[in-house]
Amino acid sequence: DVKVTQSSRYLVKRTGEKVFLECVQDMDHENMFWYRQDPGLGLRLIYFSYDVKMKEKGDIPEGYSVSREKKERFSLILESASTNQTSMYLCASKRQNTEAFFGQGTRLTVV
Amino acid sequence: SQQGEEDPQALSIQEGENATMNCSYKTSINNLQWYRQNSGRGLVHLILIRSNEREKHSGRLRVTLDTSKKSSSLLITASRAADTASYFCATDEGYSTLTFGKGTMLLVSP
Repeated sequence: DVKVTQSSRYLVKRTGEKVFLECVQDMDHENMFWYRQDPGLGLRLIYFSYDVKMKEKGDIPEGYSVSREKKERFSLILESASTNQTSMYLCASKRQNTEAFFGQGTRLTVV
Repeated sequence: SQQGEEDPQALSIQEGENATMNCSYKTSINNLQWYRQNSGRGLVHLILIRSNEREKHSGRLRVTLDTSKKSSSLLITASRAADTASYFCATDEGYSTLTFGKGTMLLVSP
C-alpha cells in the first residue's frame, strides 16, 4: 500500500520557534509538495520539489523554507513561527501527470 | 493562485439522492482530478480525467470534462451517509503541480 507519512498529526509551538515538518513517501515519486489548508481558502501551495535538492516556490512561500536531501523526504521549515502560520499542513507526492498521494496532515498551532 | 473553483460551496442531500458538484478553471490543463477529504484528514484521490477525455466512471462516481467551457462535474449516484466529506477539484497543467479549488462540503443525511 502506497504511503505518504507526515511526522506529526498535531503540533503546538511557541511564537518565534523554528519548526520542522517532515514528510516521507515510499513510492519513489519525483514530485513532492507542501500545502496549507485554511477554512474558506482551500489548499494553497507553499513549495514543491521536482527532484532531490530542487525546489520551487508556490503561491505562499513567505515565512517558509524547504529541504529535499533525499528523494523520499521533503521537509517544511518555519524559520520563526508566527500565529498566522497556525494551519493544517498537507504533504503530497506524485509522478508527472498522475494523481497525488497525501499524508494525513499536520495540524499546527502556534501560540 | 486558485485555478479551480467548485460550485456549490455546500450541498445537503438525503441518502439515496444524487449529488452533483461542478468545477470551473481558467487555463489549459493536462488533466483534472477530484479528491475527497474527510474532516481533519488528508485528501484521497477519487478520479483523474485527461484533457482528451469527456467522461469517466468509477463505481458510483461519474466525472465529465468540457475543455471548451473549462469546466468539470462530479456526480455521486445513490449517495450514502459515508459520502459526507469535502470534495475538491484540482488541475494539472503539466508542470508537476496541482492547483486546488476551495472545495464543496457535502452532507448526506440518513
